[in-house]
Amino acid sequence: EAQVTQNPRYLITVTGKKLTVTCSQNMNHEYMSWYRQDPGLGLRQIYYSMNVEVTDKGDVPEGYKVSRKEKRNFPLILESPSPNQTSLYFCASSRQGSGNQPQHFGDGTRLSIL
Amino acid sequence: TQLLEQSPQFLSIQEGENLTVYCNSSSVFSSLQWYRQEPGEGPVLLVTVVTGGEVKKLKRLTFQFGDARKDSSLHITAAQPGDTGLYLCAGGDIYGGSQGNLIFGKGTKLSVKP
Repeated sequence: EAQVTQNPRYLITVTGKKLTVTCSQNMNHEYMSWYRQDPGLGLRQIYYSMNVEVTDKGDVPEGYKVSRKEKRNFPLILESPSPNQTSLYFCASSRQGSGNQPQHFGDGTRLSIL
Repeated sequence: TQLLEQSPQFLSIQEGENLTVYCNSSSVFSSLQWYRQEPGEGPVLLVTVVTGGEVKKLKRLTFQFGDARKDSSLHITAAQPGDTGLYLCAGGDIYGGSQGNLIFGKGTKLSVKP
């Protein structure tokens, strides 16, 4: 089954404790991205990757890091999480990085930073 | 900066009623995608419209892309409780070309009561 898998689905942690949210897709997609979804603000893009070893900042990259060492994986790293990063996070992939391509989303990671 | 405004933000209706959700912008988009998101899940693509004036139907859902490719609408006929969810429109960045990213509206939260 074609899917985007995120882990963990839920995480409660404390300020400053480094964490990684993993994302993996099995569709051989070139393009992957991370979004955060907040009430009243909608989906905002954090980082995206057009292909292996190529990453770029989205609209809200501050406080986040990503890497794309393999085509299927695109982990999101919070080096020193803060409470304002409490949010619902989605990983997505598409065949290419074009606005015409449909995005396949994971089921989300709900992150709470205390 | 390209923006997409969705209206209404919230909609609560009775089963069997018709409704229309709007997605508007002052910018031109290369394409317009509609997604539905249910609680605890990621957005799922419903349709992509590419040509100005294009109309696509998906059972009781009718999607239209404006002639100037600046706006779109989603009309649901005889809504059912299963239509409940968050409806998101997303525009393809016309200036980004093959490098473009999607720009999401903030969504319309639809509740259909039995």
